[in-house]
Amino acid sequence: EVQLVQSGAEVKKPGESLKISCKGSGYSFSSYWIGWVRQMPGKGLEWMGIIYFGDSDTRYSPSFQGQVTISADKSISTAYLQWSSLKASDTAMYYCATYTSGYAGGFDYWGQGTLVTVSS
Amino acid sequence: DIQMTQSPSSLSASVGDRVTITCRASQSISSYLIWYQQKPGKAPKLLIYGASSLQSGVPSRFSGSGSGTDFTLTISSLQPEDFATYYCQQSYGTPHTFGQGTKLEIK
Repeated sequence: EVQLVQSGAEVKKPGESLKISCKGSGYSFSSYWIGWVRQMPGKGLEWMGIIYFGDSDTRYSPSFQGQVTISADKSISTAYLQWSSLKASDTAMYYCATYTSGYAGGFDYWGQGTLVTVSS
Repeated sequence: DIQMTQSPSSLSASVGDRVTITCRASQSISSYLIWYQQKPGKAPKLLIYGASSLQSGVPSRFSGSGSGTDFTLTISSLQPEDFATYYCQQSYGTPHTFGQGTKLEIK
């Protein structure tokens, strides 16, 4: 069974750095794209970017380019989302999800979400 | 970026009703249209991919149609568990943008 398990909730101060993770199991990670989706409190879904495990090819939404870094370690089937300097506006739930049937198949498996709270 | 616009933003309906949600793309996306359902506090769930293909395990009362720029999600007979927020997403070109969501509430 395919599973994506995300790291736990984080509470950080503005200006701090953070790296959250998403560990996959149950399929060959190296053949698929995995992405990150932001959901701010009470708001809709925002596509942040995706990474291909096989060669670490990464695509960002222009809205998030330069604001976050998406990376992956295929040896441990784990994708990461990283901030170098958090802002209060980064407070949100972050989901990882994977396209196991390619882009056309949609995000068919999702992690449980990681809640990031940034507050002074 | 390709903009995805859903209508309506919210909808009140009763159990047993037939409901249709519309999603419009700012340019042609062929059939690269996906529908998700999200319940409060939960991750989204894939319902429909390729505009009209039902994801495994999703009840047949859900259906999708359309191609190009105009798409619809139809629930043929609403069940209590269907009250949720629905999102469309295009995967034709990155960024794979989502619509703003349609909240389906009980009348």
